[in-house]
Amino acid sequence: KAGVTQTPRYLIKTRGQQVTLSCSPISGHRSVSWYQQTPGQGLQFLFEYFSETQRNKGNFPGRFSGRQFSNSRSEMNVSTLELGDSALYLCASSLGGFQETQYFGPGTRLLVL
Amino acid sequence: GENVEQHPSTLSVQEGDSAVIKCTYSDSASNYFPWYKQELGKGPQLIIDIRSNVGEKKDQRIAVTLNKTAKHFSLHITETQPEDSAVYFCAASKADKLIFGTGTRLQVFP
Repeated sequence: KAGVTQTPRYLIKTRGQQVTLSCSPISGHRSVSWYQQTPGQGLQFLFEYFSETQRNKGNFPGRFSGRQFSNSRSEMNVSTLELGDSALYLCASSLGGFQETQYFGPGTRLLVL
Repeated sequence: GENVEQHPSTLSVQEGDSAVIKCTYSDSASNYFPWYKQELGKGPQLIIDIRSNVGEKKDQRIAVTLNKTAKHFSLHITETQPEDSAVYFCAASKADKLIFGTGTRLQVFP
């Protein structure tokens, strides 16, 4: 079966702009989580969506938001970009949540100039 | 707050040797412990996991051990091969959280 896909794969933005990243989970998976990966901080949890509802949230500012559609596809949005937002953004899908195997996409690499 | 410590941050071994990566978690309510392998340019991929009602689990050359009392769990890779070179992440989970360790870069030299 097809894996988790993320678009775009690479993105360059300037400070102050906003960006929207997309994630298509594995068919049948209802949980989608987002992570920020940086060399200094590792994998940091942003939020989890399950059946179109945000179920869990990490410790990120309100500039980071997301949503999930009825087909389980998810988007995350970052507004008013800062240099420190440069990172690899990973999404992961699973059947039911954190206690099950997370299937990660290849990530979107965001560079903020 | 809740965290997962992972050591070492880098590990270099000769092909055929064993590699051990250790993690410690802080939240005693954690009950699921997956290990992920991340190769360059890819997202992490699950390689093995263990639940809190089990002390050890093996899958071919890979094994994981869990000590709930000490809140330690470890990944053991035997007979390492160059294709085992990657970054490995441990994680600790309960129903509403999945916290990753900081990663171990494993290099296997031929």
